[in-house]
Amino acid sequence: QVQLQESGPGLVKPSQTLALTCAVSGGSISGGSDYWSWVRQPAGKGLEWIGRIHSSGNTHYNPSLKSRVTISLDTSKNQFSLRLTSVTAADTALYYCARQTGGADYVHYLDYWGQGTLVTVSS
Amino acid sequence: QPVLRQPPSSSASPGESARVTCTLPSDINIGPHNVYWYQQKPGSPPRYLLFYQSDSHKGQGSGVPSRFSGSKDASANTGILLVSGVQSEDEADYYCMMWPTNGWVFGGGTKLTVL
Repeated sequence: QVQLQESGPGLVKPSQTLALTCAVSGGSISGGSDYWSWVRQPAGKGLEWIGRIHSSGNTHYNPSLKSRVTISLDTSKNQFSLRLTSVTAADTALYYCARQTGGADYVHYLDYWGQGTLVTVSS
Repeated sequence: QPVLRQPPSSSASPGESARVTCTLPSDINIGPHNVYWYQQKPGSPPRYLLFYQSDSHKGQGSGVPSRFSGSKDASANTGILLVSGVQSEDEADYYCMMWPTNGWVFGGGTKLTVL
C-alpha cells in the first residue's frame, strides 16, 4: 500500500517561495512508470492541478503556474518536492501530493493521495 | 487552460439515480479523451472512482461499487458520471478530470446531495 505524506511550512510570506516535500512509503518513486503529482485546493473551492514529475525526471506543469513552479525528485530519500515562487494570497490552499498511474494504455489516474497540508500566504 | 464545466449541485433521493456532467468547450472533441471521476468527502482527499473513454475502454477504481459508472454524450461534448441506487454515503463533491490540450484540468466540482 503506497502512502504519501506532505510536509513543509504552514505559513509563507508574500513574494517568498513555498516549498513542500512529499515522502512516499510502500513503493519506490524511481524506475517505474508512475508520475508524482501536486494538486491544490483553496478552502471551499475546487481542485487545481499544479504539475507532475515522471520517475525519469520529465515534468509537466499547469500552464498558468509554469513560470513559478518546479517539481523535483529525491530518489535517495524516496520523496519529491514542490517549489512555488513569488507567492501571493491567491496561493493559499490545501496542497496535496498524489501518485498518478503511468500505464502504457494512457490511463493516468491519481490513485494514492496524501492527506494534504495547509499553506497560508500572509505577512 | 480549457474549462471543464460541471453543474455546482445535484440531488437525488435514496435509491434514485444521480447524474453528474462534465462538459468540454466546443472546440475540443471529447471523443478520444479519457474522463476521470473523483469523489471527495469533507476533510478527506479525493478518491478515484473510474475513467471512461468508450464502452470498450473504461475502468473502475479499486473497491468502487458498480453503481458508479461512466458514459459520454458526444452530441453535448459531455462526460457523465451516473450513480445508480444512490445511498446516503454517496453525498460528496464529485470532480471530473481530463487532459484537453496541454495539462490536466479538473472540473469545478458538483456537490451531490442525498435528500
